[in-house]
Amino acid sequence: NAGVTQTPKFQVLKTGQSMTLQCAQDMNHEYMSWYRQDPGMGLRLIHYSVGAGITDQGEVPNGYNVSRSTTEDFPLRLLSAAPSQTSVYFCASSSSSSGNTIYFGEGSWLTVV
Amino acid sequence: SQQGEEDPQALSIQEGENATMNCSYKTSINNLQWYRQNSGRGLVHLILIRSNEREKHSGRLRVTLDTSKKSSSLLITASRAADTASYFCATDPRGAGGTSYGKLTFGQGTILTVHP
Repeated sequence: NAGVTQTPKFQVLKTGQSMTLQCAQDMNHEYMSWYRQDPGMGLRLIHYSVGAGITDQGEVPNGYNVSRSTTEDFPLRLLSAAPSQTSVYFCASSSSSSGNTIYFGEGSWLTVV
Repeated sequence: SQQGEEDPQALSIQEGENATMNCSYKTSINNLQWYRQNSGRGLVHLILIRSNEREKHSGRLRVTLDTSKKSSSLLITASRAADTASYFCATDPRGAGGTSYGKLTFGQGTILTVHP
């Protein structure tokens, strides 16, 4: 009964480093997405995927890459971390067959120094 | 840009009172969802209302949707201290053929504080 699992939960990076935030879901959902949440704000969409092998950009895609090689996994890559990417990152999944309710992971707190 | 705008930004009430939060949006939607977020935690889905629905209930929650005014409201009745959290509305835009792809646009949220 895991739902959406994100790792790591906390990470500190130095400017210029790269890293990957992992996201996995066990509900066989076709739709997956990544959001970031900055202090005092709602979530903003980074990238999303409507199925394995298909990804597209959201509202704030710059500095991030994604891929969707399997239905279950949707990793988010930071290519060269910048302090502006300090944020909380949320992965989410949904399915048209589950009534479009979107399920979120617990979040990954990222600090870039 | 954030499609959903929420009002008020902060709400402080006493236990037992009702709390009403409003959300406005700009484009056609497939559905509108409300989420709760406790401080430092992830989002918890509260309720989803489809574009062809006008009102929905879930326990102490009542959500209304007026697509002509592009607005929604969330009412929490008989509030409890445990309801203290941030509440977000999120719109799921209408895609090609009415398909929803799970791309939400969030408002900035309403911070609700319920005093014991």
